[in-house]
Amino acid sequence: DSGVTQTPKHLITATGQRVTLRCSPRSGDLSVYWYQQSLDQGLQFLIQYYNGEERAKGNILERFSAQQFPDLHSELNLSSLELGDSALYFCASSPGWGNTEAFFGQGTRLTVV
Amino acid sequence: AQSVAQPEDQVNVAEGNPLTVKCTYSVSGNPYLFWYVQYPNRGLQFLLKYITGDNLVKGSYGFEAEFNKSQTSFHLKKPSALVSDSALYFCAVSDTNTGNQFYFGTGTSLTVIP
Repeated sequence: DSGVTQTPKHLITATGQRVTLRCSPRSGDLSVYWYQQSLDQGLQFLIQYYNGEERAKGNILERFSAQQFPDLHSELNLSSLELGDSALYFCASSPGWGNTEAFFGQGTRLTVV
Repeated sequence: AQSVAQPEDQVNVAEGNPLTVKCTYSVSGNPYLFWYVQYPNRGLQFLLKYITGDNLVKGSYGFEAEFNKSQTSFHLKKPSALVSDSALYFCAVSDTNTGNQFYFGTGTSLTVIP
């Protein structure tokens, strides 16, 4: 168990809908990262927050947004969902900077039908 | 720009034989290098990292990796493969310039044949 909790584990929704994925980082970790893993594109970095502030942005679509709350949990919001958004979404956390490893949650499997 | 390459999508090795999973990287600053393993329907698990110091780093489950600055490589190795090592392996890099962001390779599927 990595200590990173993601909910829900599975999500099935229809095209055009909006969903929220939740992540609770390891105790004491200030950084939260979101990744999308699909079969054809591998592990894609979406966004990173550090202590409530956005610190790095990757290949995140405008339909997607995220935030980190004062208690350090984070949410990833996906809207106007398309079939191609079906993927595993991972959250990871680390104490802070890039010289410390990140610990991954079990992921949320999103299926858009 | 920072990037990681894992040139082999698939590596097959017989049980008991040594294994190597290759990784090369490109960063603008000093690299921080990581290996992760992913089992089916699970999250990524941290194996080992290189930050500074000895070029040979040892990690979990008997794995080790060698940092080679001149070849910009960080290959993952194990002297004797187990069937239970069969999984997807990811190399990742961050650096002193970007700091926060981890760049992952595309992954290498390792199959250990009994």
